[in-house]
Amino acid sequence: DAGVTQSPTHLIKTRGQQVTLRCSPKSGHDTVSWYQQALGQGPQFIFQYYEEEERQRGNFPDRFSGHQFPNYSSELNVNALLLGDSALYLCASSLGHEASTFGSGTRLTVV
Amino acid sequence: QQQVKQSPQSLIVQKGGISIINCAYENTAFDYFPWYQQFPGKGPALLIAIRPDVSEKKEGRFTISFNKSAKQFSLHIMDSQPGDSATYFCAASGWGGSQGNLIFGKGTKLSVKP
Repeated sequence: DAGVTQSPTHLIKTRGQQVTLRCSPKSGHDTVSWYQQALGQGPQFIFQYYEEEERQRGNFPDRFSGHQFPNYSSELNVNALLLGDSALYLCASSLGHEASTFGSGTRLTVV
Repeated sequence: QQQVKQSPQSLIVQKGGISIINCAYENTAFDYFPWYQQFPGKGPALLIAIRPDVSEKKEGRFTISFNKSAKQFSLHIMDSQPGDSATYFCAASGWGGSQGNLIFGKGTKLSVKP
């Protein structure tokens, strides 16, 4: 049973560029959440998608946007990259009251 | 306030000892309190979780103790093993029972010495 799959695993981008990260949820899960984890910190909630709509959003600027597709997979887009956007980006999927399952993340480095 | 405060930042325990990590929260709307374990290069993995209607939950060597009046909860790892060496995060959620929008603590790096 495949868990949460994220791609790519690593990415290096230049300041000002745009990036798209992808997530396939665990089989049977319909809700996808994205988190940003800076080095040495706990994950911070970016937003959550359910039924192809953004259901809740954390304290992140609108440079961060997302999308959920009919097959429940999701994308995270970040525009106008800043050095401070360098982090591990985690995707988590869930179904109803079940616990969230996290992927291994995408390590984004902005130079 | 949407904060979860976790301590200690790091912990060194001898093999076979008890590891204890503490968390405190402020928002009384939180109703789900999981603990996650994270190894380097991996995403967090759920260890154990509790809801505020119980004061303790045990799964194998892992126990959560929950004190609703003090707004505190803790993770106890009994018979700690070198393989338990990882970073542990407490978290809290309170949005309609969904398991999204987890608010995480800053983590505790546990090292278990052989």
